[in-house]
Amino acid sequence: DVKVTQSSRYLVKRTGEKVFLECVQDMDHENMFWYRQDPGLGLRLIYFSYDVKMKEKGDIPEGYSVSREKKERFSLILESASTNQTSMYLCASSLYTSGSKYEQYFGPGTRLTVT
Amino acid sequence: EDQVTQSPEALRLQEGESSSLNCSYTVSGLRGLFWYRQDPGKGPEFLFTLYSAGEEKEKERLKATLTKKESFLHITAPKPEDSATYLCAVSRQGAQKLVFGQGTRLTINP
Repeated sequence: DVKVTQSSRYLVKRTGEKVFLECVQDMDHENMFWYRQDPGLGLRLIYFSYDVKMKEKGDIPEGYSVSREKKERFSLILESASTNQTSMYLCASSLYTSGSKYEQYFGPGTRLTVT
Repeated sequence: EDQVTQSPEALRLQEGESSSLNCSYTVSGLRGLFWYRQDPGKGPEFLFTLYSAGEEKEKERLKATLTKKESFLHITAPKPEDSATYLCAVSRQGAQKLVFGQGTRLTINP
């Protein structure tokens, strides 16, 4: 079974703090993704990575950065947290960039509250 | 721009009452359509991938079908444990990302 784990289930941070969210997958997947999920807005892609040290912006990258130093680990960084970044953050991974095996598998999510 | 619209937003059924959820999509060159189940406070759980019109996939009480414009998730004789939000997403040819719909919140009453 694919397993995607996220470092925290719940996190409370203050405005202006630097925040690190970590994601680890154990199935040697090539692609990893960070989404946020908000009521009424659905799932929105922040960043994704298709290889170590490679990254691409998603639909809403402003205020975020990412790091992928090892294949199994993908970190999301909020450089200076703001209240509008309060959200559920979801990490996902997928195996192939082409062919049939590219469904994404999600972690349990991190509920981040910025006060 | 790729778009996914799910209907209804919410659906309440009695246990055993079969129904269908709809996912309409607009995408330039469909690579795949995905169905996920999401329980409150948890990450989405992968259910199915459909690749081409006419394809069907089944898992327990769920069956997903695909046409050129929409997908249906049929739920046969549902049980209370099938209560969840069901998400539909599409991926276009040559793109990595998924575009998600807003989801259908399904409640099955005992």
